[in-house]
Amino acid sequence: GESVGLHLPTLSVQEGDNSIINCAYSNSASDYFIWYKQESGKGPQFIIDIRSNMDKRQGQRVTVLLNKTVKHLSLQIAATQPGDSAVYFCAETGNTGGFKTIFGAGTRLFVKA
Amino acid sequence: NAGVTQTPKFQVLKTGQSMTLQCAQDMNHEYMSWYRQDPGMGLRLIHYSVGAGITDQGEVPNGYNVSRSTTEDFPLRLLSAAPSQTSVYFCASSQRVKEKLFFGSGTQLSVL
Repeated sequence: GESVGLHLPTLSVQEGDNSIINCAYSNSASDYFIWYKQESGKGPQFIIDIRSNMDKRQGQRVTVLLNKTVKHLSLQIAATQPGDSAVYFCAETGNTGGFKTIFGAGTRLFVKA
Repeated sequence: NAGVTQTPKFQVLKTGQSMTLQCAQDMNHEYMSWYRQDPGMGLRLIHYSVGAGITDQGEVPNGYNVSRSTTEDFPLRLLSAAPSQTSVYFCASSQRVKEKLFFGSGTQLSVL
């Protein structure tokens, strides 16, 4: 509920600006990456995914960039809207030690009208 | 389609009690998983299953058991509840391994 994300890093942007949310992943063997959006009191919702054979993928108003050299993932949101305010999580899945999807700590995005 | 259904939505337990959190999906998904989410932290994987009859441990499996007797259902059992298990629990499923997860609406559990 409301207590989720109390201590998360926060990104504050003006409505209409572009947002960039970053994520460092831990497992060099991970080959599938996803971004999720979580609104207060709800379960995470899928935004966009990317596999390790790509370095960029675009969706509607969102772009994910993958840099395997430095194990970095980013989510770009174009023309950010108040409805984009939420907590954003990256997640990674690899093959070693089983098919575990591991989530990052999350970033809270706050959009100012 | 209902998607991923979790019951109950809220639960209060006393230390030492046991209970089962229910999770069902109607999408014929192979992969199912349980996460817990604590304030200020991301989701941590408890257990997961790649198909009926197959389960494996996640990041934080201690104190929890799972079974997957059917494709649709993946219950999570708390054997002897502890205050450290106070959290929000999410069940998720995907068509196959390494595909997008669909999440349930969560169970808020308090252990006193």
